[in-house]
Amino acid sequence: QVQLQESGPGLVKPSETLSLTCTVSSYSIRNGYYWGWIRQPPGKGLEWIVSMHPGGTTYYNPSLKSRVTISIDTPMNQFSLNLNSVTAADTAVYYCARVPGNRYSDYWGQGSLVTVSS
Amino acid sequence: QSALTQPASMSGSPGQSITISCTGTNSDVGAYKYVSWYQQHPDKAPKLIIYDLNNRPSGVSGRFSGSKSGNTASLTISGLQAEDDADYYCASYTTSDTLVFGGGTRVTVL
Repeated sequence: QVQLQESGPGLVKPSETLSLTCTVSSYSIRNGYYWGWIRQPPGKGLEWIVSMHPGGTTYYNPSLKSRVTISIDTPMNQFSLNLNSVTAADTAVYYCARVPGNRYSDYWGQGSLVTVSS
Repeated sequence: QSALTQPASMSGSPGQSITISCTGTNSDVGAYKYVSWYQQHPDKAPKLIIYDLNNRPSGVSGRFSGSKSGNTASLTISGLQAEDDADYYCASYTTSDTLVFGGGTRVTVL
């Protein structure tokens, strides 16, 4: 059973960079599939952020592309998200997920709440 | 990209069937059979229940089924049960190689 676990600071100051890491267990990232990030503001719906394949192909939500960086560390079996210049609107639960073919998300982390506040 | 359109809420009695709609455009729902559906209980991560329009992952009840007509996809829950009380989200792959979610539907089992 593939397992994913997010980690990172729960509080980020406005204008700073949000950084999260997703550690994958029971599956080697290098074997393929896209890996991505999805967020959910409190009380609101889901928003896809970005997906990346270990081969390098990356797809971004156009509304967030200018602020997003994703990277994959295959030896550590982890992938990471950086979102810069954050505002209160970026406060959300951030989920990491496996995204086959960038078509759907079949395995999800439990989610990590990140609050943007001074 | 604009979010797909779902009804905000729906309800039904145990044993009944309900169908949730998910309306997009020719650039997403209408373009491919790559529509997925997720179930989310409070304070839990979403769970994939339908992928590629009408496929169920292993372990998902056969009471869930998906379909599409034009730019509108649908999720049908047959024989409603108390545990189906949850939020449901659709998502679609787009012609820009991105993913877009619907706004979500709150399903209440009466």
